[in-house]
Amino acid sequence: GAVVSQHPSRVICKSGTSVKIECRSLDFQATTMFWYRQFPKKSLMLMATSNEGSKATYEQGVEKDKFLINHASLTLSTLTVTSAHPEDSSFYICSARDGQGGGNTIYFGEGSWLTVV
Amino acid sequence: AQSVSQHNHHVILSEAASLELGCNYSYGGTVNLFWYVQYPGQHLQLLLKYFSGDPLVKGIKGFEAEFIKSKFSFNLRKPSVQWSDTAEYFCAVKKFSGGYNKLIFGAGTRLAVHP
Repeated sequence: GAVVSQHPSRVICKSGTSVKIECRSLDFQATTMFWYRQFPKKSLMLMATSNEGSKATYEQGVEKDKFLINHASLTLSTLTVTSAHPEDSSFYICSARDGQGGGNTIYFGEGSWLTVV
Repeated sequence: AQSVSQHNHHVILSEAASLELGCNYSYGGTVNLFWYVQYPGQHLQLLLKYFSGDPLVKGIKGFEAEFIKSKFSFNLRKPSVQWSDTAEYFCAVKKFSGGYNKLIFGAGTRLAVHP
C-alpha cells in the first residue's frame, strides 16, 4: 500500500539551531501534504497545508517564518524549524494526499520527535 | 468555534467488553469523517471513513462507526474489544476550507484494555 516516510524519526538539536524534517511519499505523487504537531497527551494540530510548487498555507497562530515548509517535488515536502527553542520540542507528523485515479486518501508518516536542548 | 469533540479522554475496559467512543463535530455542510488509531510507538492508521451512502461504516479489525447527520455525530463502536485494541483513537473531519481540504482532529481517546 501507499507509504509516507518521515526522516529523521528522532532528532535532538541545540537551542538556536535549525532542523529539517523530510516527508516523502514513496509510491505515489502527492500534490498536497499536511504538517501536524502533536503535543503530549493532546491531539494533532494542523500547522500548514503544503502544495507542490506553491507557498504553503499556514493555520492561524503558526509562525510561517519559524516553520518553513517547502514542497519542491510531488514526492517531497520539508519542514524546517528555524532558531529552535525548547518549546518547539514536539512530535511532528506529515500526511500526504493520494489523489490519483480519482482517489482522495490521506496517508500519514511515522512522525518525527524533535527535542531542543 | 468549529471543532471536533471526543467525549472521553480515557477509557478503561476489560477484554470482551463492548466499546463506544463518541465523536461530535460542529462543521456545517458536507464533511467527510474518519477514525484513526495510533498504537503505542506507531504511526496513525486509518480505521474507517465515511464519505457518503450507508451511514453505518465498517472498518478494519471489527470496528464500525455510525454517522448520524442530525446529531453531527460519528461514534466508533466495537462489540468485543481485545487487549490488542489498546491504543489512542482519533476522530477527524475533513472540511473544505480556505481553498483546501483540511483534516481536523479531535483530542483523542486513550483506550486501555485489560486482560
